[in-house]
Amino acid sequence: EDQVTQSPEALRLQEGESSSLNCSYTVSGLRGLFWYRQDPGKGPEFLFTLYSAGEEKEKERLKATLTKKESFLHITAPKPEDSATYLCAVQAQDSGYALNFGKGTSLLVTP
Amino acid sequence: NAGVTQTPKFQVLKTGQSMTLQCAQDMNHNSMYWYRQDPGMGLRLIYYSASEGTTDKGEVPNGYNVSRLNKREFSLRLESAAPSQTSVYFCASRTSGAYNEQFFGPGTRLTVL
Repeated sequence: EDQVTQSPEALRLQEGESSSLNCSYTVSGLRGLFWYRQDPGKGPEFLFTLYSAGEEKEKERLKATLTKKESFLHITAPKPEDSATYLCAVQAQDSGYALNFGKGTSLLVTP
Repeated sequence: NAGVTQTPKFQVLKTGQSMTLQCAQDMNHNSMYWYRQDPGMGLRLIYYSASEGTTDKGEVPNGYNVSRLNKREFSLRLESAAPSQTSVYFCASRTSGAYNEQFFGPGTRLTVL
């Protein structure tokens, strides 16, 4: 059975304090690993898709990396506007392109 | 270009009542999805439609039905609502090709009393 585990559940950072969020997964044939950002009361907003181990993608202060067992979302010098819940999801080869989500990491960045 | 839209935004039902959640996308996507999000559970797939005219069950389909009305619209129906269906419901549509990302709507917050 496919599983996605995100850690930590919650993270509090000071503005400028870099850190990483973890997403470990088990899946029978990975088609893709996805990162989303979700603000309170809103739908998930797409950030990245990673397809193979060793792949990296960047967007502003965010960088996502992928290994065969886990993905990291690195946040460099975060700002308060980066506060949100970050969701990781895997897409299996035989899933009909559906996503299997982790429970998310709630990030709070304080000034 | 509105992306994915959902109606209503909020709804309160009594146990046993029925309702339909509406979803529409204007991105010409073939595939559409319904998820529910509960505290501590993450997003879980209810039903999906890979293309117009097809629908398939996801992880938690019991108590729901869906209709892919046309390429743009994918509705979710609760025939006899139960308190366990209190949740936030999200519709998504998916690009095809290399990028493959799903775009989500703003959600419908449903409370069943």
